[in-house]
Amino acid sequence: QKEVEQNSGPLSVPEGAIASLNCTYSDRGSQSFFWYRQYSGKSPELIMFIYSNGDKEDGRFTAQLNKASQYVSLLIRDSQPSDSATYLCAVINTGGFKTIFGAGTRLFVKA
Amino acid sequence: DAGVIQSPRHEVTEMGQEVTLRCKPISGHNSLFWYRQTMMRGLELLIYFNNNVPIDDSGMPEDRFSAKMPNASFSTLKIQPSEPRDSAVYFCASSLGPDQPQHFGDGTRLSIL
Repeated sequence: QKEVEQNSGPLSVPEGAIASLNCTYSDRGSQSFFWYRQYSGKSPELIMFIYSNGDKEDGRFTAQLNKASQYVSLLIRDSQPSDSATYLCAVINTGGFKTIFGAGTRLFVKA
Repeated sequence: DAGVIQSPRHEVTEMGQEVTLRCKPISGHNSLFWYRQTMMRGLELLIYFNNNVPIDDSGMPEDRFSAKMPNASFSTLKIQPSEPRDSAVYFCASSLGPDQPQHFGDGTRLSIL
């Protein structure tokens, strides 16, 4: 079992729709969770971070964390073609603060 | 504010040569991370430093790889000797602390012929 798992996609949604990206992790004691967006040929950039169970909203983005289910998700409302990118889930484990990235989910937003 | 600065942006060299990648973290950030990204393996953490001290180097592939952080504003990742399988994009990132959001540099695209 991979430490951080994501569906590789591609996930295709029409413009204006809600895109839902999911991530599961294996280290039950993990405390810090991040979503990064990476455009082709560019470096990852931070979208959201969440530390507590529940929802955290920032503009069109909502991160959801469920530690009991070891599940973190990212919702993108009113998806735009400019949201088309690879979304990376990152989890920091309990021992030594090591950052583990998922393989990423490719998102396509169709105009 | 200046972000994380990496150099060079691109490096092409022949197998067996020494390669040195450089990174300047964001001022005030105490943690620095080196990653390697390939299509096959994704984004892998190689090593990270906290307050200039290496904390976890379990991701360093083998003895050919070494990393140093002589001061708070500079780090290097060295590969000697380089091999074609080392070809990848290498990212440096920094953060306020080891469990805080990371800010990535533009990366170094390394090609070993």
